[in-house]
Amino acid sequence: NAGVTQTPKFRILKIGQSMTLQCTQDMNHNYMYWYRQDPGMGLKLIYYSVGAGITDKGEVPNGYNVSRSTTEDFPLRLELAAPSQTSVYFCASSYSGLAEQHYEQYFGPGTRLTVT
Amino acid sequence: SQKIEQNSEALNIQEGKTATLTCNYTNYSPAYLQWYRQDPGRGPVFLLLIRENEKEKRKERLKVTFDTTLKQSLFHITASQPADSATYLCALEAGFQKLVFGTGTRLLVSP
Repeated sequence: NAGVTQTPKFRILKIGQSMTLQCTQDMNHNYMYWYRQDPGMGLKLIYYSVGAGITDKGEVPNGYNVSRSTTEDFPLRLELAAPSQTSVYFCASSYSGLAEQHYEQYFGPGTRLTVT
Repeated sequence: SQKIEQNSEALNIQEGKTATLTCNYTNYSPAYLQWYRQDPGRGPVFLLLIRENEKEKRKERLKVTFDTTLKQSLFHITASQPADSATYLCALEAGFQKLVFGTGTRLLVSP
């Protein structure tokens, strides 16, 4: 199992450009999450998904969009990049089912994004 | 307002000693609390979960306590090693399958 993979690892964007951060998990997890982590700050939840076709906003969703067309993939879209979106972005996944619930989250390696 | 507080100053200890990290929170009533380890340039890695009805949980050299009256969790690493040097994040349950994270405490274990 590769776990949670993210691409790209690094990216520099100009203000106003758009990009998609990719996230894939091969653990058949139903829950997926996007966080951002700024220096000296905790992880902030941007969006999350409870399964294919279902997404919901987290604490800091403004300026981002997500989709979840498959169980495995959960891309994060930045439409008009702003310097305030300079951050490290982490994707994570977890599993919860009727028979059993697991609350730990598995994280990808992160994407370091700079907007200038 | 809701807050999760971890000591922002790095904790420096000598190899072999016990490291104790603190997580305090206000205006939350978490059903469980988790601890993660994060190495520089990497994503957090899950270590331990403790539920609200549990006082203590152990895993090898790690021990976590959870006091819902004090609204505090303590994370202990016994017989610490330089390889334990990392940032440790506390995370509270904030809704079904959702977590809210503290800012983390950096631990430095010197030989």
